[in-house]
Order: sequence, then structure tokens, then C-alpha cells
Amino acid sequence: GENVEQHPSTLSVQEGDSAVIKCTYSDSASNYFPWYKQELGKGPQLIIDIRSNVGEKKDQRIAVTLNKTAKHFSLHITETQPEDSAVYFCAASLNSGNTPLVFGKGTRLSVIA
Amino acid sequence: DAGVIQSPRHEVTEMGQEVTLRCKPISGHDYLFWYRQTMMRGLELLIYFNNNVPIDDSGMPEDRFSAKMPNASFSTLKIQPSEPRDSAVYFCASSLPAGVGGYTFGSGTRLTVV
Repeated sequence: GENVEQHPSTLSVQEGDSAVIKCTYSDSASNYFPWYKQELGKGPQLIIDIRSNVGEKKDQRIAVTLNKTAKHFSLHITETQPEDSAVYFCAASLNSGNTPLVFGKGTRLSVIA
Repeated sequence: DAGVIQSPRHEVTEMGQEVTLRCKPISGHDYLFWYRQTMMRGLELLIYFNNNVPIDDSGMPEDRFSAKMPNASFSTLKIQPSEPRDSAVYFCASSLPAGVGGYTFGSGTRLTVV
């Protein structure tokens, strides 16, 4: 089955700097790669996703890149703000998401003001 | 829409007791997933349903765990008997067909078994 590895497990950045979180997946058939943000005491919330027919997607300060050949994808947050502090999860699945997502172990991002 | 609603938010129970977690998915979402979150193992899929039918329960750790979805607006996850190692946060999530818009997670139930 699919296996998703996520790095780093913790990340601290100064406010205004960029943050990058990387994930690799094992199943070359996976074609849907979402990213979730989890704040304390809440459930994960979808922040951006990308499908395998696209190499990059951007939404304001957040971007995701996908390298299908290398089977890795990354989340980029620019101009970080204290409210970006949270745990971020990457995930992968087949069939654009209607099969179960396999999640990475998460990255705890701390943005220092 | 109020989103995915889970209850209770917190549950503390004694070892050996039965625990029932509840979930109301978003109306119109025909996929429902139960995940368990721990520090050691992260988010693990326990079981998922499509149109109220269980599709894959291979993630259910033991026979002590069972899940039902009697209708499109309600699902339960039951642990009987509960053990301390079941302590975790349990999330329910729902999604549209083909995963359009991704999963919507509930706020979770924090279960503590003492």
C-alpha cells in the first residue's frame, strides 16, 4: 500500500521568512496530493491540493509543487505570519481523493514573531 | 452547513467500559472516514463508508472496534471493551464523490481510557 514520508517533523522560522515542507510517496499510481493544516484542538483543514496532471499550484502565500518522476511533493509558505503556526500534514491517494488518504506524520511549524 | 459534527468532544472512561463515538457528516457527502490520531502513529485510517456501506475496515485494530452507518447522516464508532492503549483523538471526515473539495474533518473526540 501507499506510504507517505514527511520532513521535517518540526520547523521554526522567523516571521516573514519562507517555510518548506517535503513529502515523498511510494505508490506511483497515486494522483491526488492534498495538504492539511491542523490547529490546536481542531480537525485538519484542507489548505491546498494538487493533482498529478499539474506540476505546481499556488494560492496567495501558499504553493505546492509535485515531481511525479521522483515521487515527491512540497508545500511552500512565503511571508510567514504567526497565524501560520500549526501542524501541517501531507497526504496521497488514488482516484483524486475518493479513496482513503494516506497521511504523513505531520510537521509542527512555529513562526516566531 | 455546520460541517462535520462529532460528539462527544471529550470522553474519559474506565478500562473495560464501552465507548461510543458519534459523527454527523455533511449533507450530500457520500464518503465517510474514521481516523485515529496519536503522537506515535499519526493519522491512521480505521474504516470508511461509501453510501452507508463499509468499504474497507482493515484498519480497525481489533474486534473490540466496530463501526456502523445506519443512514446517510449518522455514523458511530464503538469500542467494547475499552483499553488504555485506545486513548487517542478520533476524527470523522466526509467527502463528496471523487473527493471534490477534499475531506472535511470534524473537530474530533479526545478519548482517555484510565
